[in-house]
Amino acid sequence: QLRLVQSGPEMKKPGASVRISCESSGYIFNNYVISWVRQAPGRGLEWMAWISPYKGYTHYAEEFQDRVTLTTDTSSNTAYMDMKSLTADDTAIYFCAREYGDGNWFDLWGQGTLVTV
Amino acid sequence: SFELAQPHSVSVSPGQTATITCSGDILGNKYVCWYQQKSGQSPLLLIYQDSKRPSGIPERFSGSNSGNTATLTIAGAQDLDEAAYYCQIWDSRTAFFGGGTKLTVL
Repeated sequence: QLRLVQSGPEMKKPGASVRISCESSGYIFNNYVISWVRQAPGRGLEWMAWISPYKGYTHYAEEFQDRVTLTTDTSSNTAYMDMKSLTADDTAIYFCAREYGDGNWFDLWGQGTLVTV
Repeated sequence: SFELAQPHSVSVSPGQTATITCSGDILGNKYVCWYQQKSGQSPLLLIYQDSKRPSGIPERFSGSNSGNTATLTIAGAQDLDEAAYYCQIWDSRTAFFGGGTKLTVL
């Protein structure tokens, strides 16, 4: 069964850092890029960055370039999103999503992780 | 940066056809995806590559893309279609989402 399972909710103080995990199952983790998308309360979806698990290539939205780091652990089929220097504006649900196909559509999503700052 | 404009809200009567637009500069030159997000849930892929439906998505959902506008059409809207809908594209390895459209079925 295809799944992305994310870590639980986090509550952080301003200035702190947070790490969210996204564990995959049911497919070959190395073969698919993982993106991270966030959604502030009552707001729309905001793409943050992607990582290629096999090569470790990453690409970040300009807004997150300096504060977000994506990594993967291929031995545990898990992707991680680290964000530092948190502010109240970072309060949001954070999703991981698998990219699929030539057009890199997001065909599989994690359940989301609420981060409250 | 790439701007994708969606109407904030759309209303439709049950059984009627709902149309949600997504506008952007020369959008027709890019592949557009559509996602449905119900309250408290993760987004769900509805349409990819402008008009293709993943397995399990009902035929009443269809998509098109031409010129500066992509369109999601929901034929015979049902109560369970009430949700937010987002368009999405890729540009220079960066993903962009539209602001989302809240569909109300009443």
